[in-house]
Amino acid sequence: EVQLVQSGAEVKKPGESLKISCKGSGYSFTSYWIGWVRQMPGKGLEWMGIIYPGDSDTRYSPSFQGQVTISADKSISTAYLQWSSLKASDTAMYYCARVGSSRNLKFDYWGQGTLVTVSS
Amino acid sequence: QSALTQPASVSGSPGQSITISCTGTSSDVGYYNYVSWYQQHPGKAPKLMIYDVSNRPSGVSNRFSGSKSGNTASLTISGLQAEDEAVYYCSSYTSSRILVFGGGTKLTVL
Repeated sequence: EVQLVQSGAEVKKPGESLKISCKGSGYSFTSYWIGWVRQMPGKGLEWMGIIYPGDSDTRYSPSFQGQVTISADKSISTAYLQWSSLKASDTAMYYCARVGSSRNLKFDYWGQGTLVTVSS
Repeated sequence: QSALTQPASVSGSPGQSITISCTGTSSDVGYYNYVSWYQQHPGKAPKLMIYDVSNRPSGVSNRFSGSKSGNTASLTISGLQAEDEAVYYCSSYTSSRILVFGGGTKLTVL
C-alpha cells in the first residue's frame, strides 16, 4: 500500500528556519516524482514544485522559486520542504503528494498534510 | 503561470447532475490532454478523481466524468449524492513543464 507520512505540525516565529518531511513507503521511492502543495487558510491549492528522488532533479513554480527548497534523501525514502527565513505569510497547510506519471504530473497519493504556523 | 479559472460555487439537488468548468489557455488546458480533477472534503487531503481529461482512477465512481473543449475542461457529476459536497480543483500540465491548479469550486448539495 502506497503511503506518504508527513511530519507533525510546527509553530515558528518569523525569521526562523524550518524543514518538514514526507516519508514514502509501499512503492519504489526513487522511481516517482514527489511534489509539494500549499493551502493557505481558507484558500485553494497551489503547486509549489516537485523532485525526482532518483537523481534529485527539481522543478519549481515561479511563485515559489527562491522562496523554498525541495530536497530528498533516497536512502530513507523521504522528501523535504524547507525555508531559511519564515514569514507570517508562510502560514499554511502543506501537502506532499506522489506524482503518478511524469507525463501529466497527476498527484495520485497524498500525505496527510503538515500545518505550519508562523507567528510572533 | 496564472491559476486556471473555476466558478467559485455550484449547487444541485440530490440525483441531479452538475458541471464544473475550468478555463485555461493555449499553453495548458488547450494544448495538453493532461487535465486532472481533485475532490477535497473539509480538513482532508485532496483526492484524485479524474486524470488525462476523462480517465477515472480505480475506485472512483463512474458518476464522475470529464471532458474538454478548447481551453476549457469540465467535470460532470451525475446522480448527485450528499457525500459529493466538497471543493473541486482542476489542474493542468503546462508548457513550462509544471502544474497549475484552478482556484477551486465549492459544490453544495441542496
